[in-house]
Amino acid sequence: DTGVSQNPRHKITKRGQNVTFRCDPISEHNRLYWYRQTLGQGPEFLTYFQNEAQLEKSRLLSDRFSAERPKGSFSTLEIQRTEQGDSAMYLCASSFAGTQLYEQYFGPGTRLTVT
Amino acid sequence: AQSVSQHNHHVILSEAASLELGCNYSYGGTVNLFWYVQYPGQHLQLLLKYFSGDPLVKGIKGFEAEFIKSKFSFNLRKPSVQWSDTAEYFCAVNAQAGGSYIPTFGRGTSLIVHP
Repeated sequence: DTGVSQNPRHKITKRGQNVTFRCDPISEHNRLYWYRQTLGQGPEFLTYFQNEAQLEKSRLLSDRFSAERPKGSFSTLEIQRTEQGDSAMYLCASSFAGTQLYEQYFGPGTRLTVT
Repeated sequence: AQSVSQHNHHVILSEAASLELGCNYSYGGTVNLFWYVQYPGQHLQLLLKYFSGDPLVKGIKGFEAEFIKSKFSFNLRKPSVQWSDTAEYFCAVNAQAGGSYIPTFGRGTSLIVHP
């Protein structure tokens, strides 16, 4: 399967703990996006990378959230001191940004439950 | 900041009925427009997209959408739905902001097609 992959698929954690998610994009894609999706809502943009550079972060992104893409390939999203409000599906998507054709390919998501 | 409105949150149809899902966005600049679909248990996937040219775009599985710039709309249509079209449908806009394209999704429309 050469699509976008995400790990883990499910994560249950206690409030206050740190969690880290991983996303492996389609290999030739230079852009990588992170979204958060809650029930009954569309994906909410968090941040994106072009190669290893983090170009945009949503103003909604708390200081507890950090993302990296150290070698321009896979990316990690870390949430520190998790809160119950962080419970959501975290989606990763990738695209090739050679032109304006930013068609995104999504992964299956990581479902986070904070208890 | 741009926003996307999907007015129909839940739609229930019988097979062979016609479908139209509304999508309006608020942004006066250059935009790219998308419809994504999420079938039960599957990833988000692209249904169709508009960047420029003919405002009537055709996508997979018989879907089409019309971009009406004066109405800031990008409604999705299908003349005859099938049971297999049961899914969540998301309208999305990439609006240029400071040289980058930040994607914004609508909250989605849940479509149920009865056989």
